Amino acid sequence: AQSVTQLDSQVPVFEEAPVELRCNYSSSVSVYLFWYVQYPNQGLQLLLKYLSGSTLVKGINGFEAEFNKSQTSFHLRKPSVHISDTAEYFCAVSPYNTDKLIFGTGTRLQVFP
Amino acid sequence: DAGVIQSPRHEVTEMGQEVTLRCKPISGHDYLFWYRQTMMRGLELLIYFNNNVPIDDSGMPEDRFSAKMPNASFSTLKIQPSEPRDSAVYFCASSLSRSLRELFFGEGSRLTVL
Repeated sequence: AQSVTQLDSQVPVFEEAPVELRCNYSSSVSVYLFWYVQYPNQGLQLLLKYLSGSTLVKGINGFEAEFNKSQTSFHLRKPSVHISDTAEYFCAVSPYNTDKLIFGTGTRLQVFP
Repeated sequence: DAGVIQSPRHEVTEMGQEVTLRCKPISGHDYLFWYRQTMMRGLELLIYFNNNVPIDDSGMPEDRFSAKMPNASFSTLKIQPSEPRDSAVYFCASSLSRSLRELFFGEGSRLTVL
């Protein structure tokens, strides 16, 4: 079975500050890794994904994430956040051998002016 | 291009009533997923289809829930009878097999069961 742990339920940060949203996963098989973002009253949309190759993945809106196999982590980072980045961020895994996407519980990023 | 379309956006009903949620996936997508989002449990996968065939329904909470996909452009999620604990936001998402789990989500149907 697979599970995803997002260690922080809420992350408050001031505008232009850097941010890291943490994600750890557990799986007995190899997985693909994803970050999705949900703006208020909207569905989720893909931010970035790791399938293979370079462990540093760049996504939309200046976000990036690094896959660390030994620590089973896939933390999301942005060097300088904007007010518009305020949203809920979901880490997800998908085992190689299924088509399922299993989500973490989400981290609410609140950016203050 | 139209995205995933869900209806209704909001539904308020009384316990015991039948609820039907509808989804129109993006044209050409061959996967369709139903998720439920609550504060307590986060996003849970209920069921997914590939080429209109249900592949995994292990997330469907109990027999009161059923889902169908009669054709490539339409799916329903039905709850009968509904209970207050079914109150949640239900999301439909679709994807292309070759795009490796890039799901496109609808805006969700917010269900409140009184």
